[in-house]
Amino acid sequence: GAVVSQHPSWVICKSGTSVKIECRSLDFQATTMFWYRQFPKQSLMLMATSNEGSKATYEQGVEKDKFLINHASLTLSTLTVTSAHPEDSSFYICSAREIRDNSPLHFGNGTRLTVT
Amino acid sequence: AQSVTQPDIHITVSEGASLELRCNYSYGATPYLFWYVQSPGQGLQLLLKYFSGDTLVQGIKGFEAEFKRSQSSFNLRKPSVHWSDAAEYFCAVGALAGTASKLTFGTGTRLQVTL
Repeated sequence: GAVVSQHPSWVICKSGTSVKIECRSLDFQATTMFWYRQFPKQSLMLMATSNEGSKATYEQGVEKDKFLINHASLTLSTLTVTSAHPEDSSFYICSAREIRDNSPLHFGNGTRLTVT
Repeated sequence: AQSVTQPDIHITVSEGASLELRCNYSYGATPYLFWYVQSPGQGLQLLLKYFSGDTLVQGIKGFEAEFKRSQSSFNLRKPSVHWSDAAEYFCAVGALAGTASKLTFGTGTRLQVTL
């Protein structure tokens, strides 16, 4: 089945540094990928829609300059948390959909970000 | 706007007992409905989905769900729960058309299984 690989699975960084998270569709092409954020014991909140070859579409309230998204190919999207602060600590999950009708979203295993 | 309500935050069942997790949705058109399961520290795994047709859909791991338009519900069921089913379950509604493939998730139901 379709697999989405997310890397790293966990990362600890210091305040003020930047962290890049990769999301890859391993055996399918995805023109669109989605980035979610999940706080402890809460649901997933869509942050942005990543479009291959164009700018990402951010949800209301999400700072595009803080959460930089790049979707340079049909199999890779990256999320960079810039100038990270402790409040950015969270679980980030990406998802991707195959280029065919009615294909469901496939999710990566998430990245646990801890900013100290 | 689309929304999903999972009324039960936490459910505990005994192994071997039946299970039903509730999900109610609000959506402006014919909904695409999903159930996902998440183990601690992991991503989401798709259990089943409903697009159209038969309102009773079968999924993986012995789960099934029934779409009831009149009740705006899409409850997840399993006849006999296994200890390995303990996890967080999310119901989601959305579209599946290009960039409109946004899913709105419910707040989740944590399932605990006692032996």
